[in-house]
Amino acid sequence: QQPVQSPQAVILREGEDAVINCSSSKALYSVHWYRQKHGEAPVFLMILLKGGEQKGHEKISASFNEKKQQSSLYLTASQLSYSGTYFCGTVPVRDDKIIFGKGTRLHILP
Amino acid sequence: DSGVTQTPKHLITATGQRVTLRCSPRSGDLSVYWYQQSLDQGLQFLIQYYNGEERAKGNILERFSAQQFPDLHSELNLSSLELGDSALYFCASSLQGASYEQYFGPGTRLTVT
Repeated sequence: QQPVQSPQAVILREGEDAVINCSSSKALYSVHWYRQKHGEAPVFLMILLKGGEQKGHEKISASFNEKKQQSSLYLTASQLSYSGTYFCGTVPVRDDKIIFGKGTRLHILP
Repeated sequence: DSGVTQTPKHLITATGQRVTLRCSPRSGDLSVYWYQQSLDQGLQFLIQYYNGEERAKGNILERFSAQQFPDLHSELNLSSLELGDSALYFCASSLQGASYEQYFGPGTRLTVT
């Protein structure tokens, strides 16, 4: 039931790109992405609703393939401020409950 | 600042005790969610309230209970505390249901000794 995120951790140099994947075994209505910095609360990045849309937020974008129940978060030209743990949260069809994955730790080196 | 407030910020208590964590949602938000985050762990969904009614339940222990009041603030009650209950407890709020963006409070760090 808990979505699976991959990879578990990524180390990049500033300016490099990263992709974080989120996969569910259930049919999904929506996928959420949040970023949490160490010692802080999670912060909302974006929501993707059923319909296969792609969204963007500065240099961070995401896609949602509802047929495969998968979502991917794309970080391009990464900046030091992108460091943190990224969580995907999935909301199944006909359910009003969000379940978060275990998170992907992203560390950006200068 | 997300607009969600949580009190207290830190709580240290002994095993077997009972504590109450408080959350005030963003102005206008009707849903409140409670999460538990243990060290280096993900966000474990506990329970959701919508406009005073319980909407969804996650892995919430029977020793834990919550409620949402008419003014929409919420309280999470933890009783018969065990060492393993030590964690960061987050409250989040959203405009309506789970498919709306959630805004997280700063959290309450509970330490059970």
